[in-house]
Amino acid sequence: DAGVIQSPRHEVTEMGQEVTLRCKPISGHNSLFWYRQTMMRGLELLIYFNNNVPIDDSGMPEDRFSAKMPNASFSTLKIQPSEPRDSAVYFCASSLLEGLEQYFGPGTRLTVT
Amino acid sequence: LAKTTQPISMDSYEGQEVNITCSHNNIATNDYITWYQQFPSQGPRFIIQGYKTKVTNEVASLFIPADRKSSTLSLPRVSLSDTAVYYCLVGEGSYNQGGKLIFGQGTELSVKP
Repeated sequence: DAGVIQSPRHEVTEMGQEVTLRCKPISGHNSLFWYRQTMMRGLELLIYFNNNVPIDDSGMPEDRFSAKMPNASFSTLKIQPSEPRDSAVYFCASSLLEGLEQYFGPGTRLTVT
Repeated sequence: LAKTTQPISMDSYEGQEVNITCSHNNIATNDYITWYQQFPSQGPRFIIQGYKTKVTNEVASLFIPADRKSSTLSLPRVSLSDTAVYYCLVGEGSYNQGGKLIFGQGTELSVKP
């Protein structure tokens, strides 16, 4: 298996623009997680899905952030409009439903100018 | 809600055993404890997971006292390639029912020759 796949790997955009991050989990995994990592705040869970259904989105910073999982092999995290404080590395991870062992993707480094 | 605390950094030499302790005073009855390793520009990678007592795998051991308010990751005979940031993660076993996942702030381990 190729592992968790994220795209793009790097994104540079201007404040106010819409940003869409993409994730393909490991085949057969039923849980998918979106994290944000910054120097100041470390690793933060934004949202996670079980069987394509959002379970906990309490970590989503505000209404500018939204996430979808239309099927078991694809998820998106959208920021609209983006702001400079959204600059961070965004990780997607997946796991089997019953375990906490998560497999992380390589991350998307987002820079908002 | 469980909160995790780790030392910010540790230094060691090749061949030594390294023990990193994480405090999680508010751990809930069904919380698991998981440790991850992260190299620069990569996503975290699973090391080991436990619930109580001692768990050992091919790369590390995890010691959890009876009160479960702390856990210690033990890396035997570290090498230069073990230089990385180590995170503990406390999460409810029933996280698929709305449990919380909380990462520690990470311990930066530096292994010297």
